[in-house]
Amino acid sequence: AQSVTQLGSHVSVSEGALVLLRCNYSSSVPPYLFWYVQYPNQGLQLLLKYTTGATLVKGINGFEAEFKKSETSFHLTKPSAHMSDAAEYFCAVSAGGSARQLTFGSGTQLTVLP
Amino acid sequence: GAGVSQSPSNKVTEKGKDVELRCDPISGHTALYWYRQSLGQGLEFLIYFQGNSAPDKSGLPSDRFSAERTGGSVSTLTIQRTQQEDSAVYLCASSLGGQGRAFFGQGTRLTVV
Repeated sequence: AQSVTQLGSHVSVSEGALVLLRCNYSSSVPPYLFWYVQYPNQGLQLLLKYTTGATLVKGINGFEAEFKKSETSFHLTKPSAHMSDAAEYFCAVSAGGSARQLTFGSGTQLTVLP
Repeated sequence: GAGVSQSPSNKVTEKGKDVELRCDPISGHTALYWYRQSLGQGLEFLIYFQGNSAPDKSGLPSDRFSAERTGGSVSTLTIQRTQQEDSAVYLCASSLGGQGRAFFGQGTRLTVV
């Protein structure tokens, strides 16, 4: 069994400030972890993923996430928010790496304030 | 095609009517998935196709929901006798094989009135 919890359904940051979106997971086997972004009127796009190896994963648009097994976390960060980052972000876990086994969190709506 | 295409992008239907949602996956992708995103909830898995067969239908919420895929390409998700709780964004994704990265379509926003 696997599950994902995203803390905070809405997060607001000022332009230029640090972005931190929290994700905690549970998985009975070593997880594959993903962050997806959904811009208005668009489909989901993969931001980054962790499978094995280096625990700090860099993705597109300056985002990165760190897999912390001891904390069962995979928080998404970006040092400096841009207005174009405003979107909904979904954390997902897959026990076997397959998209059919993806379990998504409920999403976090990021608002960037000028 | 260049990406996963879904149609229609928006659909408003009366309660009790049947609806069909279409998904055109990326050419050559053998795996196709349907997800549903309800207001205030996360994405939930509905069904998975490998080729034309559906080895995993575990996410379909009721027998009013069905899906088929023909020619290993286009898929149709059908909802019969729609209910208001069916209102959601229905997302389709495809991948190159069951373990490949999933590419998502823009979704179909279904509103049942």
